[in-house]
Amino acid sequence: SSELTQDPAVSVALGQTVRITCQGDSLRSYYASWYQQKPGQAPVLVIYGKNNRPSGIPDRFSGSSSGNTASLTITGAQAEDEADYYCNSRDSSGNHLGVFGGGTKLTVL
Amino acid sequence: EVQLVESGGGLVQPGGSLRLSCAASGFTVSSNYMSWVRQAPGKGLEWVSVIYSGGSTYYADSVKGRFTISRDNSKNTLYLQMNSLRAEDTAVYYCARWSIAAHDAFDIWGQGTMVTVSS
Repeated sequence: SSELTQDPAVSVALGQTVRITCQGDSLRSYYASWYQQKPGQAPVLVIYGKNNRPSGIPDRFSGSSSGNTASLTITGAQAEDEADYYCNSRDSSGNHLGVFGGGTKLTVL
Repeated sequence: EVQLVESGGGLVQPGGSLRLSCAASGFTVSSNYMSWVRQAPGKGLEWVSVIYSGGSTYYADSVKGRFTISRDNSKNTLYLQMNSLRAEDTAVYYCARWSIAAHDAFDIWGQGTMVTVSS
């Protein structure tokens, strides 16, 4: 079972704001990173650290964290943002291991 | 161009072995933390293993004792030796750079290679 918990599915109206959350004890000690994965493609890093975007990621993607919960916010969701989103951090029991959340399927209506 | 290219996937019988390769370009494998991540059909991402720049290796409990991560510095290539394969190891296997500079994020991913364990 995953030590990072995500809602399985979330939907958002085109142009609206959506927040995808990730909960886990490890998030009290480690930053979460967020990945977007479209069907048949490899994951792509969209947010890392406190709130950093790799080059090429639109600024409508942002990240935040409080306690044991990390959040990915998409402000003004676009049709192309429809994808699976995964959070990731170090494992809470041993900091040499990695762990992913179960993923959130985002539907843009 | 910074890139990772996996190879070596295929169909293997339960109990069999397979070695995956991940060729890097644009950066040095041995200077980075490198990982394998897998994704079973229709399922989420699962972290599998990491090799640190210093050579230490770590594994998920699900593969410990069966899989071995290694690298060839002269070829700038990462490997995953998979033994005693089980049906539940069927997945797309991705190699990824685990970037300390990016606060432990996987910032570069390969395209993945499919491993199917079936008789």
